[in-house]
Amino acid sequence: SQQGEEDPQALSIQEGENATMNCSYKTSINNLQWYRQNSGRGLVHLILIRSNEREKHSGRLRVTLDTSKKSSSLLITASRAADTASYFCATDEGGSEKLVFGKGTKLTVNP
Amino acid sequence: EPEVTQTPSHQVTQMGQEVILRCVPISNHLYFYWYRQILGQKVEFLVSFYNNEISEKSEIFDDQFSVERPDGSNFTLKIRSTKLEDSAMYFCASNQGQGVLRVTFGSGTRLTVV
Repeated sequence: SQQGEEDPQALSIQEGENATMNCSYKTSINNLQWYRQNSGRGLVHLILIRSNEREKHSGRLRVTLDTSKKSSSLLITASRAADTASYFCATDEGGSEKLVFGKGTKLTVNP
Repeated sequence: EPEVTQTPSHQVTQMGQEVILRCVPISNHLYFYWYRQILGQKVEFLVSFYNNEISEKSEIFDDQFSVERPDGSNFTLKIRSTKLEDSAMYFCASNQGQGVLRVTFGSGTRLTVV
């Protein structure tokens, strides 16, 4: 798989449930970022976690990072219909200026 | 919250024509980027720009592409002779300092080449 690959590719849940999305990467990183994209729209930055951090919270979002497994997870608690979007992880490649994105997880939250 | 502004939001152009996509990065940011997303695919890095020169570019960013910061606020991407496969959403982004810190993206320009 390529740098910044998310799974599952698609996730459908009911409002109020939690949604967990995973991301795996291959090379060493300085940080990992999660972005959200509503259909056909721009990328909204959600949260950044540095390589020396293991967990970070922001509102209903919880991100974990396991550098030994080269993986990260994004948990959205108490999901709402408005959380329906695609979620992408993005990593730097150990000093490179560029972000490398995965294909994303398409989350659908049913009311 | 400061935003990265892109214009136009949607542009349709004939194959072979030149297009210029415009961006106004956040005012105190120093690093500027262009990314693109072909429909249904992942977001791909095109180019990074710092101190008035390209600092990194991808294989996609060939001689048909160029970037410019013509004044203190605008950052442009020019495609000289568009191809059908250039149809995509183009995102401008910026960040404040060295290294990949929080990168703020614009809302994108959807380019359709017909």
